[in-house]
Amino acid sequence: GQSLEQPSEVTAVEGAIVQINCTYQTSGFYGLSWYQQHDGGAPTFLSYNALDGLEETGRFSSFLSRSDSYGYLLLQELQMKDSASYFCAVHQGGKLIFGQGTELSVKP
Amino acid sequence: DADVTQTPRNRITKTGKRIMLECSQTKGHDRMYWYRQDPGLGLQLIYYSFDVKDINKGEISDGYSVSRQAQAKFSLSLESAIPNQTALYFCATSDPKRYNEQFFGPGTRLTVL
Repeated sequence: GQSLEQPSEVTAVEGAIVQINCTYQTSGFYGLSWYQQHDGGAPTFLSYNALDGLEETGRFSSFLSRSDSYGYLLLQELQMKDSASYFCAVHQGGKLIFGQGTELSVKP
Repeated sequence: DADVTQTPRNRITKTGKRIMLECSQTKGHDRMYWYRQDPGLGLQLIYYSFDVKDINKGEISDGYSVSRQAQAKFSLSLESAIPNQTALYFCATSDPKRYNEQFFGPGTRLTVL
């Protein structure tokens, strides 16, 4: 089987840095993606790691350690609009298996 | 215009009714997916299709069926709706060369009474 674990909620203040962790247990792992979802809207793709290391895209970075079955999403210079749910997802045979999501609340 | 569209956006139906949710895309992607999301939870894969002649079951296919009518169209059916199928349903597409990046439709909010 497969499972992903991420914290259910994280709170941070505007301008700060926050890290959302994701650990996974799965077979046939090809990579880890991150998606953002605002208030039940359409999830949108943020980042993808196929290999170990850090990927940076603007204020967002994502990290993967395959040996530790662990990854994280790092959000810098937090803005109020970053308040949303964030999902990690593992890739298996062309499909995605999603975690249950982390709700990020950004406070002024 | 939206690249991935879903109809209807909201639907209320009664237990035992047959209902179809439709998804259309203009992205030219071969791969299409149907997900279900329950409040406060992640996305669960119902069915997916890598091309018109390919249909695969996902994590939670029981009680659902799909039809891939064309490259651009992928429909999800509930043959006999039940209350615990009340959820938010998303369709998504991806390019086979970049399947890690899926593009989601706006969702259909389904309520089964």
